[in-house]
Amino acid sequence: DVKVTQSSRYLVKRTGEKVFLECVQDMDHENMFWYRQDPGLGLRLIYFSYDVKMKEKGDIPEGYSVSREKKERFSLILESASTNQTSMYLCASSLWFQGSSGANVLTFGAGSRLTVL
Amino acid sequence: GIQVEQSPPDLILQEGANSTLRCNFSDSVNNLQWFHQNPWGQLINLFYIPSGTKQNGRLSATTVATERYSLLYISSSQTTDSGVYFCAVERRNQGGKLIFGQGTELSVKP
Repeated sequence: DVKVTQSSRYLVKRTGEKVFLECVQDMDHENMFWYRQDPGLGLRLIYFSYDVKMKEKGDIPEGYSVSREKKERFSLILESASTNQTSMYLCASSLWFQGSSGANVLTFGAGSRLTVL
Repeated sequence: GIQVEQSPPDLILQEGANSTLRCNFSDSVNNLQWFHQNPWGQLINLFYIPSGTKQNGRLSATTVATERYSLLYISSSQTTDSGVYFCAVERRNQGGKLIFGQGTELSVKP
């Protein structure tokens, strides 16, 4: 089974701090994604990456950046955390790539619940 | 962008009852998935179903792509079915970008 591991289950940070959320997948998947989940809003895509050093903005990239230096690792960075970034952050990966016969089926990590005070 | 609407937003069932969850989407898609999020927050893929019908045990799903909706059926519900069910779609030529609905929160009472 694919495993997607998020480094921290719960984090508490202060306003203005720099925050790193790490995600590692162990099955050589091409694509990795960061979503945030808020009550009543479902999951919203922040950034995704379809290759090492490649990234694309999702629907809500403001206030976030990402890094993908190795295929298995995708980091979400909050340069200066704010209280409105208190949320559940979910990382996912998928094998699919353009032109493949497979499907873009996502596998999720367990989530990281971030509280910014 | 594409709109994904799920109904109902909340559902309470007695154990053993059947239910149908609906997902409407506003544009043509080449990917539709159903997920279950358990009370601990873990999201599990239930179905990849851009069209047609699939069954897995007590769960089945049907997508009518031409009419832009999908249905998730849960039969003989159990307390372990509780959680939030999400539908997610990917537009054609928007490779990799899955857009989620707001979810249906299901509570199954013993």
